[in-house]
Amino acid sequence: SSELTQDPAVSVTLGQTVRITCQGDSLRIYYAVWYQQKPGQAPILVFYNKNNRPSGMPDRFSGSSSGDTSSLTITGAQAEDEADYYCSSRDSSGNHRVVFGGGTRLTVL
Amino acid sequence: QVQLQESGPGLVKPSETLSLTCTVSGYSISNGYYWGWIRQPPGKGLEWIGNIYYSGSTYYNPSLESRVTTSLDTSKNQFSLKLSSVTAADTALYYCARVPLSGDTLLFDYWGLGTLVTVSS
Repeated sequence: SSELTQDPAVSVTLGQTVRITCQGDSLRIYYAVWYQQKPGQAPILVFYNKNNRPSGMPDRFSGSSSGDTSSLTITGAQAEDEADYYCSSRDSSGNHRVVFGGGTRLTVL
Repeated sequence: QVQLQESGPGLVKPSETLSLTCTVSGYSISNGYYWGWIRQPPGKGLEWIGNIYYSGSTYYNPSLESRVTTSLDTSKNQFSLKLSSVTAADTALYYCARVPLSGDTLLFDYWGLGTLVTVSS
């Protein structure tokens, strides 16, 4: 089994850059996937693999990885980016199982 | 446009079986992909429940594996979740999602709106 650890809360000043991190052994093997969830809504896919954004996702969202830590960076955060962000990856055991991080609440000040 | 919609009872009694169905439109589930279930207890984070491949192979969260069953109904373009012996801890918003495999990465690209299931007598 695997675990992914995220900071519970992060804040950023409007227009500034913020990095949301996700740590876990599975990230040494597999890329992280990032989801954004706003109150009362289903999560949406934000970023995945080395450099993939779904169609329509602003390019201010980017991802990176180093060792057991993956990061989602928002360059020039907007008010509408205030949300919960979840990382996920495949389980490090090598089977087709998925694990989620606990989520990070992003506040845009 | 791919759309998914969860359906099923909103209230289940303790020790009974929770049953949900996800109806997919805009894509035939028999054409490929994994199809997954995720849940979110009120005020908490996301928990992966399990995926079913279009061929029928299943993969479950080890913490739920003894109680979970998923299945496909290609004639109705639906897939289903059964969770047995439920307790109050199973009260959550249940989502279904399409699960592409991109390289080695499993991701959820289309989600349903979710359905709230409450376990209570």
